[in-house]
Amino acid sequence: EDKVVQSPLSLVVHEGDTVTLNCSYEVTNFRSLLWYKQEKKAPTFLFMLTSSGIEKKSGRLSSILDKKELFSILNITATQTGDSAIYLCAVEALFKREYGNKLVFGAGTILRVKS
Amino acid sequence: ETGVTQSPTHLIKTRGQQVTLRCSSQSGHNTVSWYQQALGQGPQFIFQYYREEENGRGNFPPRFSGLQFPNYSSELNVNALELDDSALYLCASSLFPNHEQYFGPGTRLTVT
Repeated sequence: EDKVVQSPLSLVVHEGDTVTLNCSYEVTNFRSLLWYKQEKKAPTFLFMLTSSGIEKKSGRLSSILDKKELFSILNITATQTGDSAIYLCAVEALFKREYGNKLVFGAGTILRVKS
Repeated sequence: ETGVTQSPTHLIKTRGQQVTLRCSSQSGHNTVSWYQQALGQGPQFIFQYYREEENGRGNFPPRFSGLQFPNYSSELNVNALELDDSALYLCASSLFPNHEQYFGPGTRLTVT
């Protein structure tokens, strides 16, 4: 069965701290790994990773994928209160026989940044 | 170009009732996927529709069913509602199956 596990489940830090969120997966027909930020409703896309070892960066956020160890991390440097949210890791898996894809999500990491 | 829209925003139903949720895909997108997100969990894949047919399905019982229309909009129907069906239901559209999925704002369903 496809599985995505995130850790830690929750995290409280102070503004300015650096955080690392973890995501491990066991998914058949892997295509990509995605990170989302969810505040109140729909997840907001952050990164899509398809190749091992290539860091993707957007401002204070960065992420990297290790396809050998089936693992990804999301780093946030110089955290701000606006970073408080649930961070979701999802793996895109292709359907075995049909033409299509699904996202397999982890339970998320709840990040709270205190001022 | 309009994004993915869903209706209603939220609704409350009683156990045993039936509910229909609606999704309009982003302009030009012909594939719609539905996800259920229970409180404290990540979204779970329900099914995907392409060319008005179910293209793939997750581990949800048959009382979860869907439709896709010629204009690519979609409906999620849930029969015989149970308390555990209370969740945020997310719709995502993509240009084709296997392409990046764009999420709508979701419908919050509460079953009492």
